Amino acid sequence: SAVISQKPSRDICQRGTSLTIQCQVDSQVTMMFWYRQQPGQSLTLIATANQGSEATYESGFVIDKFPISRPNLTFSTLTVSNMSPEDSSIYLCSVGEGATSNQPQHFGDGTRLSIL
Amino acid sequence: SQKIEQNSEALNIQEGKTATLTCNYTNYSPAYLQWYRQDPGRGPVFLLLIRENEKEKRKERLKVTFDTTLKQSLFHITASQPADSATYLCALSSGNTPLVFGKGTRLSVIA
Repeated sequence: SAVISQKPSRDICQRGTSLTIQCQVDSQVTMMFWYRQQPGQSLTLIATANQGSEATYESGFVIDKFPISRPNLTFSTLTVSNMSPEDSSIYLCSVGEGATSNQPQHFGDGTRLSIL
Repeated sequence: SQKIEQNSEALNIQEGKTATLTCNYTNYSPAYLQWYRQDPGRGPVFLLLIRENEKEKRKERLKVTFDTTLKQSLFHITASQPADSATYLCALSSGNTPLVFGKGTRLSVIA
């Protein structure tokens, strides 16, 4: 299965600043996803990163707050903009085995983000 | 709205016994159901996928059942070992809808 590298693994940021999280895959993949996991909660999908076009955002998440880039089939970034303490969470990227969301996904180890 | 419930936040069992974890769902007709394992500080790891027309799937000591009438999946680990201690997540999808995860059950296998 694909190997996913996520950077940074953790960070502590000041409120009002922005942080960009990188996700690198060791093979070309069609489907890449960004999730948020708050303590004790399930994974919540933020958006599907589409190569060559705008990301598809889920309800409650907007591009201005979470801009996503997908310049090629092996790389994506998620930016958390104008951060507040409510954004403290673990952010995870994943890749799908196939071309639909029904197939198994493989995850990076996440970015643990704390906002002061 | 769609709801996924995993039977309990935590489950403790004795080494060697069979662990059974439950995933119930409402207001949903999933075509695919997946189980993942998550260790502290790590991302989820895919374990098994079962389709709505499959009753049961096995992989080594793992077994998953999928009952679309009861709207329930059972996840079994036989001959459990302390190394099986982790959080187990179920996730559902249908057609091209995104994968939706439950909160997970934290399993502790006691030696």
